Formats: sequence, C-alpha cells, structure tokens
Amino acid sequence: GQQLNQSPQSMFIQEGEDVSMNCTSSSIFNTWLWYKQEPGEGPVLLIALYKAGELTSNGRLTAQFGITRKDSFLNISASIPSDVGIYFCAGRNNDMRFGAGTRLTVKP
Amino acid sequence: NAGVTQTPKFQVLKTGQSMTLQCAQDMNHEYMSWYRQDPGMGLRLIHYSVGAGITDQGEVPNGYNVSRSTTEDFPLRLLSAAPSQTSVYFCASSYSGGGSPLHFGNGTRLTVT
Repeated sequence: GQQLNQSPQSMFIQEGEDVSMNCTSSSIFNTWLWYKQEPGEGPVLLIALYKAGELTSNGRLTAQFGITRKDSFLNISASIPSDVGIYFCAGRNNDMRFGAGTRLTVKP
Repeated sequence: NAGVTQTPKFQVLKTGQSMTLQCAQDMNHEYMSWYRQDPGMGLRLIHYSVGAGITDQGEVPNGYNVSRSTTEDFPLRLLSAAPSQTSVYFCASSYSGGGSPLHFGNGTRLTVT
C-alpha cells in the first residue's frame, strides 16, 4: 500500500530554535501536503506542493517536494509556543494518505 | 461558510449497536472521504467518494459502509459496532480527487464499550 514514513515521531525544542521533519514513501505521489492538528480539531492545511523539486514558503514554514516524488520535508524557523501541535505529511494521487505525525513541543 | 460539518461530536455505543456518523459540506466539493485517527497511527482512510453515486474503499474499510446520494452529504455507517472501532473519525472534502487539498471537519469521538 501507499505507506508514508514520517520522522521524527516527536520533538521537544526551545522557543526560537528551528525545526525540521520529513516524510518518505515507497510510492510516488502527485501532490505532497503538510497539515497541523491541534487538540480537539481537525487537521488544517499548512502547505501544498504540486511539482517535483518545488520549494514553497508560508511565513516561517518552508516545505519541499522531493525530486523523486517519494519524499518531502517541512522546516519551521524560529519556533514559537503556538507552533505546538501534531504535524502530518500527506501524499495524494486520487485518494490521500497520511504519515503518523510529528508531535512538536516548544518550551518557552 | 460552514465548511465541513460533522455530527455528533461525541458518541458512546455498546458492542453490536449501529449508528451513522453524519458529514455535510457546503463548498460544492466533488470529493469526500472518511478517516479514522488512532494514537500513533496518523489518519487512515476508510472510504472515499469522487462524486455523487460513486464510492470506493480506502485502507481500512471493514465494518463500515458509506453512500453518496448527494454532493453535500457523505454519511458513514457502522452496522455492528465493535470496541476496535473506538476512535476519532474525520470527514474531509476537496474540489476533486486530484491534487486539491482536503478540508477537514472537527471530528466525531466514538467510544464502543
């Protein structure tokens, strides 16, 4: 099946530090996406990537669509306490599959 | 603009009971899907639909039925609930089944005792 391997599973960082997480798959995807989920809510889209090699930024967030179309990474620069949450990568062809998530904790 | 609306927010069932989780979207999205979220496992696709009258299975379809009689609604049915179906269920929709991002509802937390 279309399994996505996301790492790390969790991160504990100090406010102001940069964060990096990534996602790999044995399958090719046409679209890679990154979502953030906070307690009691559904995932919210952060960044969508549509082309192999694409590098896209959204404020302090930067994500890249791997050239092989089998991987993607998300970087968060200068983390702040409200960055706390679970970050999910997702790959989409017809349906959408998700990684297991990276739980981010930011210490003030 | 309500987006994706799921009801109920919480539900407790006894083993063997049946129920329907409701999902409605007002964005005229063709594509709708159901996921379940369990600790440490991310979101797993149960069923999806690329348009009214069309449904297909995802990764974990057993024990669940869906139908898509209108563009707006995509209910998920549990015919005979089991404790293994205790989970948080999310409905999501998008413009198409291609590269469009999914928009999620706020989830239904289901407990089966």
